[in-house]
Amino acid sequence: RKEVEQDPGPFNVPEGATVAFNCTYSNSASQSFFWYRQDCRKEPKLLMSVYSSGNEDGRFTAQLNRASQYISLLIRDSKLSDSATYLCVVNRNNYGQNFVFGPGTRLSVLP
Amino acid sequence: GAGVSQSPSNKVTEKGKDVELRCDPISGHTALYWYRQRLGQGLEFLIYFQGNSAPDKSGLPSDRFSAERTGESVSTLTIQRTQQEDSAVYLCASSPYGTYNEQFFGPGTRLTVL
Repeated sequence: RKEVEQDPGPFNVPEGATVAFNCTYSNSASQSFFWYRQDCRKEPKLLMSVYSSGNEDGRFTAQLNRASQYISLLIRDSKLSDSATYLCVVNRNNYGQNFVFGPGTRLSVLP
Repeated sequence: GAGVSQSPSNKVTEKGKDVELRCDPISGHTALYWYRQRLGQGLEFLIYFQGNSAPDKSGLPSDRFSAERTGESVSTLTIQRTQQEDSAVYLCASSPYGTYNEQFFGPGTRLTVL
């Protein structure tokens, strides 16, 4: 079993749809959590950090459930420009940086 | 300020040759990571540097792969006797010290081994 797992995808949704991505992690000592997006043939870029209380940034909402070791990302009112691969990332090291990337879920928003 | 830079952006080499890839992290970032990403695949961790601590080399796929970093500056990833399966994008990322700080990625080096 991989340490960070994500919905296998791909997700094909029409413009304006709401789409949710799920991610689970196996290391209960994990400290911090992120969602990155990666456009085709580009480097990953931070979309948002995920806080314990949940957080929202415009059309994007991230949730963390430490008890279930589960992270989610909700995208409302999908735009064509949201088409990308979404990577769930977990930092499992107390003392510094020890990031583990999930395999990613590809989203295609269709006109 | 300047982001993470990598060079070269593209490298085409013949099987059996050695290649050296370079990463310039963001100034002041103590942590530096190398990843490999094959076409259509996820990120594969290779090596991690944190300040002057011993690097975490647990992701290096074979002894043909090595990396160095002097202090908190430039890092080089060297692949000896390249094989066709080494063809991939090699991504470097840096991060400031601290559990809650995200990684910043460079644009990557696309390596093609003929």
